[in-house]
Amino acid sequence: SQKIEQNSEALNIQEGKTATLTCNYTNYSPAYLQWYRQDPGRGPVFLLLIRENEKEKRKERLKVTFDTTLKQSLFHITASQPADSATYLCALDIDTDKLIFGTGTRLQVFP
Amino acid sequence: NAGVTQTPKFRVLKTGQSMTLLCAQDMNHEYMYWYRQDPGMGLRLIHYSVGEGTTAKGEVPDGYNVSRLKKQNFLLGLESAAPSQTSVYFCASSSWTGGAFGYTFGSGTRLTVV
Repeated sequence: SQKIEQNSEALNIQEGKTATLTCNYTNYSPAYLQWYRQDPGRGPVFLLLIRENEKEKRKERLKVTFDTTLKQSLFHITASQPADSATYLCALDIDTDKLIFGTGTRLQVFP
Repeated sequence: NAGVTQTPKFRVLKTGQSMTLLCAQDMNHEYMYWYRQDPGMGLRLIHYSVGEGTTAKGEVPDGYNVSRLKKQNFLLGLESAAPSQTSVYFCASSSWTGGAFGYTFGSGTRLTVV
């Protein structure tokens, strides 16, 4: 079955540094990979989508890479701020009409 | 523009009771989804719909039923609630296939079954 792995341990970094989160998957070849942000008590919010034929995608301070050979995506937040503290989820399409989600990695940015 | 609205936000049920969770979206999206989120398990797909009048099973459909009588609404029903259904339920919608477009999620319903 398809499996998505995200680091379950929280990532703690200092303000201004670059945060890097990892998403690994097995037993699947997705056409797309997405990243979401989730704050406590709230629903996930879509951030970025990257296609299998794209190596990198950027949006403001966010950067996503997608390596289909390694079956891995990296999510970077540059110049991190305390307001970036949240849980970040990656998701893969397992069919043309369904996504499966990882369990998420909690990021804590301290001043 | 409200996006995706879920009602109720909180509910406590006794084992064996039934209830319906309502999801409404005002973005004219074709696709709608129900997920549950449990600690350590992530989001798991319960049921989904690719258009008005259609529904399909997801990863964990047992104990739930759904209906999509109107394009903007997607209902999730629990006929006989069990403690294992204690969870946070999220509804989401997307304009096309989930892979090509990001989902818009509601704020969730926290359900406790005692």
